[in-house]
Amino acid sequence: GENVEQHPSTLSVQEGDSAVIKCTYSDSASNYFPWYKQELGKRPQLIIDIRSNVGEKKDQRIAVTLNKTAKHFSLHITETQPEDSAVYFCAATRAGGTSYGKLTFGQGTILTVHP
Amino acid sequence: DSGVTQTPKHLITATGQRVTLRCSPRSGDLSVYWYQQSLDQGLQFLIQYYNGEERAKGNILERFSAQQFPDLHSELNLSSLELGDSALYFCASSVQNTGELFFGEGSRLTVL
Repeated sequence: GENVEQHPSTLSVQEGDSAVIKCTYSDSASNYFPWYKQELGKRPQLIIDIRSNVGEKKDQRIAVTLNKTAKHFSLHITETQPEDSAVYFCAATRAGGTSYGKLTFGQGTILTVHP
Repeated sequence: DSGVTQTPKHLITATGQRVTLRCSPRSGDLSVYWYQQSLDQGLQFLIQYYNGEERAKGNILERFSAQQFPDLHSELNLSSLELGDSALYFCASSVQNTGELFFGEGSRLTVL
């Protein structure tokens, strides 16, 4: 089955700096890679996703890059703000039809943004 | 508010007992997923139902079972509970073919 490794496990940055979280996956058939943000005591929420037919996707201060050859993908947050502090999870799955939801998650990265 | 409703929010029980967690998906979503979140295991996929039928299975223990009813709500049954079953259990639902999962607030199970 799929295995997703996520690094680093904790990341501390100053407000305004950039943050990068990296993930590698094992199943070359995986084709859908979402990122979820989970604030303390809250539910995970999708912040951005990428499919295997594109190499990069941006949404305001957030971007995700995908390298299918190397089987890794990364989350980039620019101009970090204290409200970006949360746990971030990457995930991967072989999606098709109704099979998007069987996500394999990474172990999570605790991001702390210091004012 | 994601539109996914889970009950109960908190549950404390003893080893050997049986509990049922309930999930109502967003209106119109046919797929329901159950995930277990514990400190040392992260978010683990348990099982998926689509329109009443089991669609995919993860590392779900034999002591756990689930079902999705005709009104699309789902229940996760956990039996012969052990200390290690203490975790946050999330239900999620999705619109077919979009990829995004909408998670409920979770049910926190504590086994003493």
